[in-house]
Amino acid sequence: GESVGLHLPTLSVQEGDNSIINCAYSNSASDYFIWYKQESGKGPQFIIDIRSNMDKRQGQRVTVLLNKTVKHLSLQIAATQPGDSAVYFCAEPPNTNAGKSTFGDGTTLTVKP
Amino acid sequence: DTEVTQTPKHLVMGMTNKKSLKCEQHMGHRAMYWYKQKAKKPPELMFVYSYEKLSINESVPSRFSPECPNSSLLNLHLHALQPEDSALYLCASRGHTAGGTDTQYFGPGTRLTVL
Repeated sequence: GESVGLHLPTLSVQEGDNSIINCAYSNSASDYFIWYKQESGKGPQFIIDIRSNMDKRQGQRVTVLLNKTVKHLSLQIAATQPGDSAVYFCAEPPNTNAGKSTFGDGTTLTVKP
Repeated sequence: DTEVTQTPKHLVMGMTNKKSLKCEQHMGHRAMYWYKQKAKKPPELMFVYSYEKLSINESVPSRFSPECPNSSLLNLHLHALQPEDSALYLCASRGHTAGGTDTQYFGPGTRLTVL
């Protein structure tokens, strides 16, 4: 069936290093993805999105890359800080008609000081 | 105001109790959602309301009953729950960021424990 998934459940990095979190999807027709950050005790928060007509999108310290050929996207966090420690989900958001969204399994990022 | 609020933050209930979870947003969003999230798992969609009408029910048991009294409020009525229903219940609304991105705004959730 159609799904969005992540490669690694956990990632540990040293403060100041760059982090890369990966995600794979199975539906070739998927055209819009969002990365969410969920800190302990909070709901998911929007970080950055990308549409299928783009290969790369940059935000503040974050970059999302989309490779449609292999159906893979990644979230890169530059100069990772302790405040970046959280669970990161890639997701296909609800579309207008179905209203359904699909979350990947999540990667727990731990930043060591 | 770009906030979705949920009450209560924590709820402990017995299997014979009736309780309600509440969600509120004042961003003018016309789509609202209930999700269930178990520990170390992604959120699972339960219900979608669009313009105050239920548009999606993801085969949720009838012991969960959603209600959308108006465009700002979303309730989830609970009755005769089971211990396996213990989870974090997240509410979300859908709208656009200042930059024009179509996304969901999530509340902090209600941590539900069923004894």
